[in-house]
Amino acid sequence: DIQMTQSPSSLSPSVGDRVTMTCRASQSISGYLNWYQQKPGKAPKLLIYSASSLQSGVPSRFSGSGSGTDFTLTISSLQPEDFATYYCQQSFSTPYSFGQGTKLEIK
Amino acid sequence: EVQLVESGGNVVRPGGSLRLSCAASGFTFDDYGMNWVRQVPGKGLEWVSDINWNGDYIGYVDSVKGRFTISRDNAKNSLYLQMNSLRAEDTALYYCARSRVSASGPPYDNWGQGTQVTVSS
Repeated sequence: DIQMTQSPSSLSPSVGDRVTMTCRASQSISGYLNWYQQKPGKAPKLLIYSASSLQSGVPSRFSGSGSGTDFTLTISSLQPEDFATYYCQQSFSTPYSFGQGTKLEIK
Repeated sequence: EVQLVESGGNVVRPGGSLRLSCAASGFTFDDYGMNWVRQVPGKGLEWVSDINWNGDYIGYVDSVKGRFTISRDNAKNSLYLQMNSLRAEDTALYYCARSRVSASGPPYDNWGQGTQVTVSS
């Protein structure tokens, strides 16, 4: 099974900051990597698929990059509504594992 | 508007059974693969099972194989998860999620609000 490891586990940025978080796969997954945002009490929301494709309706301040084992989600200018937990998920092979999440907390 | 509404969650004793349902609307149901994902409150996400558009392909995480059965009824725009021999570790919020394409599997572009399954004696 492929293990997904996210870092850091939490961040306390300020509004307007550029925020970067990473996701590492235990083996190469090519570009089969997706990012979701989850707010408390809500279902996850797809942000980025295939490592770098922006899901329809998602603000362009979100971007993804990477391939192989190392991936990055970047928020170019953090907005108040972006405080949430972010999960990566590999879609290379079953079981389709998620990372443990990176929580953006208000400073 | 795409809507996925789960139901069927409940409190059940270990060894018991439940059938979860997901009613889909706002899109052509048989154009998409469908999935079940679960989340223990305050914890991370776990893929449980998936099914492609016509049910020809089905997958399960190892921990539920032989106990859970995914199915779909395209005429009723519904997805199901039959859960047998339930264990305490199956306790979670179960989400129904739509694949972006007709094949099953991630990414999931629409999610329901979840239905809570609690396995406890």
